[in-house]
Amino acid sequence: AQSVSQHNHHVILSEAASLELGCNYSYGGTVNLFWYVQYPGQHLQLLLKYFSGDPLVKGIKGFEAEFIKSKFSFNLRKPSVQWSDTAEYFCAVNENYGQNFVFGPGTRLSVLP
Amino acid sequence: SAVISQKPSRDICQRGTSLTIQCQVDSQVTMMFWYRQQPGQSLTLIATANQGSEATYESGFVIDKFPISRPNLTFSTLTVSNMSPEDSSIYLCSVVARGNYGYTFGSGTRLTVV
Repeated sequence: AQSVSQHNHHVILSEAASLELGCNYSYGGTVNLFWYVQYPGQHLQLLLKYFSGDPLVKGIKGFEAEFIKSKFSFNLRKPSVQWSDTAEYFCAVNENYGQNFVFGPGTRLSVLP
Repeated sequence: SAVISQKPSRDICQRGTSLTIQCQVDSQVTMMFWYRQQPGQSLTLIATANQGSEATYESGFVIDKFPISRPNLTFSTLTVSNMSPEDSSIYLCSVVARGNYGYTFGSGTRLTVV
């Protein structure tokens, strides 16, 4: 069965620091990859997604992610974080356009002003 | 993308009672799902809501506890039956729109069982 791991449970950064959140999945076939964000008290929002093509995907709010097939990874990056980026970040994987997808355990990001 | 209206947004319920959560989509969607997010945890799929037939439940979830209806392509309900404090969670509706492999989530229902 597909599994998704996220490298860090909790990341604490100062404003303007660079961010990289790791995500690895286990499935070896065709996958679609997603990063979702959940701001405190709010619902899930899609940051970005990868289906095919350029493995470097640009998302909203300055986020980007790179799909590295050989490493089964889809790491999220942002060159300079802001206090407003404080949130929970979830990586999710959908295999072969299947009916649902598997979420990672989430990484809590705290940005200190 | 599809716009989802999920009601209620939150509720506090007595143990032993049941709560029905509604998910209304502004367009016809191919697939509808129900997820649970327990405090401090990631999302877990409860079931796929199938239009006109019984829902498909994931391991660990049963129809008697989480009956689901989907009478048409834009509406579904999830009932949390005979609630206990362990059912306190956020319950989310998710959809996949026609011709679109993107997934949209509702705003969730925050359930507290006392």
